[in-house]
Amino acid sequence: DQQVKQNSPSLSVQEGRISILNCDYTNSMFDYFLWYKKYPAEGPTFLISISSIKDKNEDGRFTVFLNKSAKHLSLHIVPSQPGDSAVYFCAATVTNTGNQFYFGTGTSLTVIP
Amino acid sequence: GAVVSQHPSWVICKSGTSVKIECRSLDFQATTMFWYRQFPKQSLMLMATSNEGSKATYEQGVEKDKFLINHASLTLSTLTVTSAHPEDSSFYICSASRAGWNTEAFFGQGTRLTVV
Repeated sequence: DQQVKQNSPSLSVQEGRISILNCDYTNSMFDYFLWYKKYPAEGPTFLISISSIKDKNEDGRFTVFLNKSAKHLSLHIVPSQPGDSAVYFCAATVTNTGNQFYFGTGTSLTVIP
Repeated sequence: GAVVSQHPSWVICKSGTSVKIECRSLDFQATTMFWYRQFPKQSLMLMATSNEGSKATYEQGVEKDKFLINHASLTLSTLTVTSAHPEDSSFYICSASRAGWNTEAFFGQGTRLTVV
């Protein structure tokens, strides 16, 4: 059973515009969420995280929004750059279970120059 | 940020042989490490949780006798794919977290295994 879902397998955005990547989860016990970026044949790299006590966290061009009632989070990238082209995974965890993460299936972002 | 090193990054082996993949936390101690597997165009799937000094905890459907995990020290976990078959060809990634909660996991660079 997929507890973390990313329903959009791919997304194309023009350079300079906003990229919005969405993620839904089903487990209401999740209390910490993360976004990872992954290039082909490389390990994921951490982007940004958010605790369930917050609804927004911003780091430079990246902002993550969390809507607990809807069990939904999103990653906004503004402005999008060609180097942002990669697969983005959202992940969730219950923090008293030792940092075991559950991943979404990923969204492939293409930023068009 | 913390560094997790995974080795090798690429390996090709013959069917029936075994392959060992190492995951090291270079600048922190990790009592727990995780092993993931990624099939093409699919998500990272957790295979097992590796605990230092004890047996690994395997996810449902993962053969523990095929994917041997050893977490011998606070900085090293190994995954051995035994009697590899072509269907074991995949991308394997480990991750480790610093002690404590609400910390992001740091990932190794991954290992591309091809069984021929």
